[in-house]
Amino acid sequence: DAGVIQSPRHEVTEMGQEVTLRCKPISGHNSLFWYRQTMMRGLELLIYFNNNVPIDDSGMPEDRFSAKMPNASFSTLKIQPSEPRDSAVYFCASSGGRRNSPLHFGNGTRLTVT
Amino acid sequence: GENVEQHPSTLSVQEGDSAVIKCTYSDSASNYFPWYKQELGKGPQLIIDIRSNVGEKKDQRIAVTLNKTAKHFSLHITETQPEDSAVYFCAASRDAGGTSYGKLTFGQGTILTVHP
Repeated sequence: DAGVIQSPRHEVTEMGQEVTLRCKPISGHNSLFWYRQTMMRGLELLIYFNNNVPIDDSGMPEDRFSAKMPNASFSTLKIQPSEPRDSAVYFCASSGGRRNSPLHFGNGTRLTVT
Repeated sequence: GENVEQHPSTLSVQEGDSAVIKCTYSDSASNYFPWYKQELGKGPQLIIDIRSNVGEKKDQRIAVTLNKTAKHFSLHITETQPEDSAVYFCAASRDAGGTSYGKLTFGQGTILTVHP
């Protein structure tokens, strides 16, 4: 079991640029979650999918943020245009979608927007 | 929405001592309470969880207690070891079926340091 795989591990970009974060959930998991971690706000849910369908995107901060899950093994979180306040660690997590199926987090992408 | 408060923010203990971290939540409908351990440069890792139909759960040196009336839950680590040093997060969610339990509200975290 390779776990949840996120790429890149680190991303440094300039304000105004487009940023795409990628996630490969654990094989067989049908639920995927995007979380963001900052010192000020802690860990907060941005959006989650079930069977590739977005269920709740109420945590997405602005229209600059978008997420897709084109198939069961891949998801992206895109920020366009990026701003310095988007700097954070972005985590992807997946679960089997059944009761008592825990969330498994990836190791995150550390995004720095200068 | 749900609000989760976690205390203390830092905790320093000697190896072999016990450590206790406490959390309170605001939404009486919350019924799923996991605890996560996060090591430097890694994602949170689930260490134990409890549902509201259970008052206590234990897994080796780790235990969690839940008081639904008071809306608080606690993590207890006994016989602490240096490798227990990490940031610990409590969380709460309302499991309304499907994957809603994954919509977690996290506490602010506790930095646990275990001195050898």
